[in-house]
Amino acid sequence: QKEVEQDPGPLSVPEGAIVSLNCTYSNSAFQYFMWYRQYSRKGPELLMYTYSSGNKEDGRFTAQVDKSSKYISLFIRDSQPSDSATYLCAMIAGNNRKLIWGLGTSLAVNP
Amino acid sequence: EAGVTQSPTHLIKTRGQQATLRCSPISGHTSVYWYQQALGLGLQFLLWYDEGEERNRGNFPPRFSGRQFPNYSSELNVNALELEDSALYLCASNTGTAYGYTFGSGTRLTVV
Repeated sequence: QKEVEQDPGPLSVPEGAIVSLNCTYSNSAFQYFMWYRQYSRKGPELLMYTYSSGNKEDGRFTAQVDKSSKYISLFIRDSQPSDSATYLCAMIAGNNRKLIWGLGTSLAVNP
Repeated sequence: EAGVTQSPTHLIKTRGQQATLRCSPISGHTSVYWYQQALGLGLQFLLWYDEGEERNRGNFPPRFSGRQFPNYSSELNVNALELEDSALYLCASNTGTAYGYTFGSGTRLTVV
């Protein structure tokens, strides 16, 4: 079993839809949870990070962490064609700086 | 502010050769991280450098090595290249926190 599981999709939605992206994990020591967006031929770009459990909102994006269920989510409201990309979750335990990644979910937002 | 820059963008090598990849972090960032992104395997942690020292290493053989220079730039060396080393190699930097990594666009290494 991989430490972090993420459905690779692809996910295709119409413009304006609410998108829900999820990851599950098995290591209860994970403390920081991050969401990155990666466009084709580019490096990942940090969207949001959350420490421990709870919600965090930034514009159209909301990140949720449920440590009791070992489940994290990213919600995108009013999705735009420019949101079309691969979304990766990443987690880290302690201070070893070793990010553990999901495989990424490919999202297409259709105009 | 300039981002993380990596060179070269693309690199084609023959099996058994050596590859050298370079990374310049964001100004003021002292930590540099290397990741391998291979098809179907996702991003895998390779190395973490801080203040010129190797601080942590992922589950890769010793032929993957690197260093960090006094100006905080970094170099990744891959010796005795194998076909399965073909991947996108990403460099990231930050100020020394456990989160908030800024990535470069990567070096696409192809081993033939």
